[in-house]
Parts: sequence; C-alpha cells; structure tokens
Amino acid sequence: DIQLTQSPSFLSASVGDRVTITCRASQGIYNYLAWYQQKPGTAPKLLIYAASTLQSGVPSRFSGSGSGTEFTLTISSLQPEDFATYYCQQLTLYPSLTFGGGTKVEI
Amino acid sequence: EVQLVESGGGLVKPGGSLRLSCAASGFTFSSYSMHWVRQAPGKGLEWVSSISSSSTYIYDTDSVKGRFTISRDNAKNSLYLQMNSLRAEDTAVYSCARDKGGYCSGGRCFFDGFDIWGQGTMVTVSS
Repeated sequence: DIQLTQSPSFLSASVGDRVTITCRASQGIYNYLAWYQQKPGTAPKLLIYAASTLQSGVPSRFSGSGSGTEFTLTISSLQPEDFATYYCQQLTLYPSLTFGGGTKVEI
Repeated sequence: EVQLVESGGGLVKPGGSLRLSCAASGFTFSSYSMHWVRQAPGKGLEWVSSISSSSTYIYDTDSVKGRFTISRDNAKNSLYLQMNSLRAEDTAVYSCARDKGGYCSGGRCFFDGFDIWGQGTMVTVSS
C-alpha cells in the first residue's frame, strides 16, 4: 500500500507567516496528489489537485508543488481564516485513495 | 446550488446494518464519479469507497471489502452505501463527495480530487 506521511503534524504560526507543509509518499505517485483544508465541524475543501493546480475560487496565496514522492503545500502569507487542518491525498488507486495524517495549523 | 446531503446514519449494534444515502442537486449527477469518506471522532480522513459515473467501476478500501457496498441511482440523483456486519471501528462521520472530473479508461479510473462534499452523517456502532 502507498503510505502518505505529512510533516509536521502540528504547526504553530502567526498571521503573515509563510507556511510549508510536506507530504511524502512511500512510492512514486506521479502528480496524483490533492490537498484539502478542513475547519472544525465542516467538510473538507479542495485546495489543490494534480499536485500543483489551484482549485477554482481558492486564494492564490495557496500553492502546491512536487511530483513522484515529495510534495509541498505552501501558504505564502497566512491569514486568520487559514488556521485549519490540512490533508494530502494520493489518487493513484494503488490500492486506495489514501489520505495523509493531517497537519494542524494553529496560532 | 451544487449540494450533497447525506442521511441514514444512527446508532447500531455490532453486527448490524445501515444504509446511507446521499442526495445530489445542482449538477449533472450522472456525469461524475462519487466517493464515500469517513472520519472517526477526533481522527483524520479515511477514504471508504468510490463508484464511477455509470457504476461500471467500484473501488473499496480493504477494511470494508465484503461488508460495505457502494451503489448509485442516476435517475434519482442518489448515492448509497450499504453497510453490513458493522464493527465498533466503523464509528465515524460518513460523507459523500463528488470527484472533480476524473475519467475511467482501460479498465480503471483516474480521479482528480473531491471537490464537493456533504456535511456528513454520523454512524455509531455500539452495544
């Protein structure tokens, strides 16, 4: 099975900070990777798909990069509404659509 | 408005069954692959099952194989998850989600990501 390891699990940051979250796959997944944001009590929101394509309506301060086994989600200037938990997900179906363990971004 | 609304959750004893439903509106349901995802209390996201637009392809996570069955009725704009032989570890909020725009070809599907989510329905398995 393909495992996804996110780091860090928790991240303490301030408004205006540049934040980078890493997602490592146990084997190559090309660019079949998505990033989601989830706030408490709400459904996840798709931010990035195909590793680096910004979902419509998502602010440009979010960006994704990487291919193969290492991927990053970057928030260029953290805003108050960005405090949330972020998940990566691999979409190769080998053998499942695994999510990473999550990264909680807090003040 | 594009919307997914789940129903059918509740409290069930170990070994019991539940059928979850997901009503879709605001988009052409029959054109999209659909997914079920669950989240145990205080835990992360776990993919459960996926179905292609015409039900040709179905995928399940190993832990639910043989117990859960995903299905859809495109005429009713509805997605379903039949859950049998439920276990305590199946306790979670179950959400349906739309695939952004993947496609199926050559005997398998390629998914893009889950762009529309419902708010979820809670399933509690306890005696």
